[in-house]
Amino acid sequence: DADVTQTPRNRITKTGKRIMLECSQTKGHDRMYWYRQDPGLGLRLIYYSFDVKDINKGEISDGYSVSRQAQAKFSLSLESAIPNQTALYFCATSVPGTNGYTFGSGTRLTVV
Amino acid sequence: AQTVTQSQPEMSVQEAETVTLSCTYDTSESDYYLFWYKQPPSRQMILVIRQEAYKQQNATENRFSVNFQKAAKSFSLKISDSQLGDAAMYFCAYRRTHLGGSGANSKLTFGKGITLSVRP
Repeated sequence: DADVTQTPRNRITKTGKRIMLECSQTKGHDRMYWYRQDPGLGLRLIYYSFDVKDINKGEISDGYSVSRQAQAKFSLSLESAIPNQTALYFCATSVPGTNGYTFGSGTRLTVV
Repeated sequence: AQTVTQSQPEMSVQEAETVTLSCTYDTSESDYYLFWYKQPPSRQMILVIRQEAYKQQNATENRFSVNFQKAAKSFSLKISDSQLGDAAMYFCAYRRTHLGGSGANSKLTFGKGITLSVRP
C-alpha cells in the first residue's frame, strides 16, 4: 500500500456541488499539506496542518476548507465547486528533522 | 516571501546527451533547502535531488547533479546521459530550514516547472 493515499484519483463534478478529497497516510507524520497544481503555475499551497489541532491557510485557501480528522487523515473540501477549481490536487506529508515530503498520487478534479 | 523562478517552460534533449535545467530563487534566509522534483506522466511527484544551503559541495545522485551558486541564488539541475525515461516535468522547490523556527518553515515553495522531452 502507498504511504500517502488520495481518493478519488479522478473526479468530475458540477458547478455548485460540494466535494471532498481525502488523504490518508501510514507514515505517522505529523505534518500534512494540500497543494494544487495548474499548468504553467506549478504547485501552490492551499492548507497545511502540523497536528490535529493546528490548521493553517496557505497562499490560495479561498473557496476551500480542510479537516484533520486524525493524525493520519486530512481532507480537503470544496463547499461549492467552480470551474476554475479544476486542477490536480496533491496531498503530502513531512516530519521535522527531515527535509523531504512524501506525496500522494494526486486527485484530478474537473468542475463542469 | 520566498519565490522560485523557472524561466524556461520547455526544453528538449537528444537521448544520451546532457541537459541543464535552470532555477533561481529569492530569499533573505541564509540556511535553507533546495530540491528538484520529477513528475512523469503518471503524475507522481518524485524527489530527484536535494541540496542544503550550508553545504558548498554540489549534490549528486547518479546521472543527476546540481550547480548550486548561493550568492547568485541559482540552482540548476544537470542530467547526464539523458534517457527516454527522463522525459517529465521538473519542478524546483525551496524550503526554509526547520531548525529553530516554527513549523511554517516546513512549507515547500515550488517553481512553475519545466517540461523536458527526450528525443530518441
